[in-house]
Amino acid sequence: SQQGEEDPQALSIQEGENATMNCSYKTSINNLQWYRQNSGRGLVHLILIRSNEREKHSGRLRVTLDTSKKSSSLLITASRAADTASYFCAPSGYSTLTFGKGTMLLVSP
Amino acid sequence: NAGVTQTPKFRVLKTGQSMTLLCAQDMNHEYMYWYRQDPGMGLRLIHYSVGEGTTAKGEVPDGYNVSRLKKQNFLLGLESAAPSQTSVYFCASSYSRRTGEGYNEQFFGPGTRLTVL
Repeated sequence: SQQGEEDPQALSIQEGENATMNCSYKTSINNLQWYRQNSGRGLVHLILIRSNEREKHSGRLRVTLDTSKKSSSLLITASRAADTASYFCAPSGYSTLTFGKGTMLLVSP
Repeated sequence: NAGVTQTPKFRVLKTGQSMTLLCAQDMNHEYMYWYRQDPGMGLRLIHYSVGEGTTAKGEVPDGYNVSRLKKQNFLLGLESAAPSQTSVYFCASSYSRRTGEGYNEQFFGPGTRLTVL
């Protein structure tokens, strides 16, 4: 299975702080994707990093990928209350995406 | 562009009843997916389609059927609903993957909240 496993399960921080969440997976991949889900909504794609990339940025998001350790991290800098959501990683190889259980991030004002 | 839309948004069924959930996308995507999301379980793939007229089983296909008669629509059917099918159902779509590459980003609909009594 390519299912990603996010860690921690829950994270609570103050506005302005950075939030880091991690993803581990077990098989080789072609890319790894991160998604956000606000309460009661569908998932929204945040960023895709290919297996030959080590780091990628998008606005306040920074994603790293270490294929030797089969792990990825998502860093959200200068968090805002609007970043409160669940975050999912989805490794992708030759089978369909498999989503983990997510990290629930709470950003308090 | 509406993106991915799902109907209905909410539905309550009695055990044994049948229903069809409709997903529509206007992005000309080849691939479409149906997921269910339960508390503490994350998203689980029910069925998916890589093109008009094709369907394939995902992780949890039992009790569900699907059809992709038109490229823009993907229907999920419950023939005889059971309480275990109470869940939030999400549809998603994506462009096809290039040979040797992983799956592309998925665009999700807003979800259908189904309760089976």
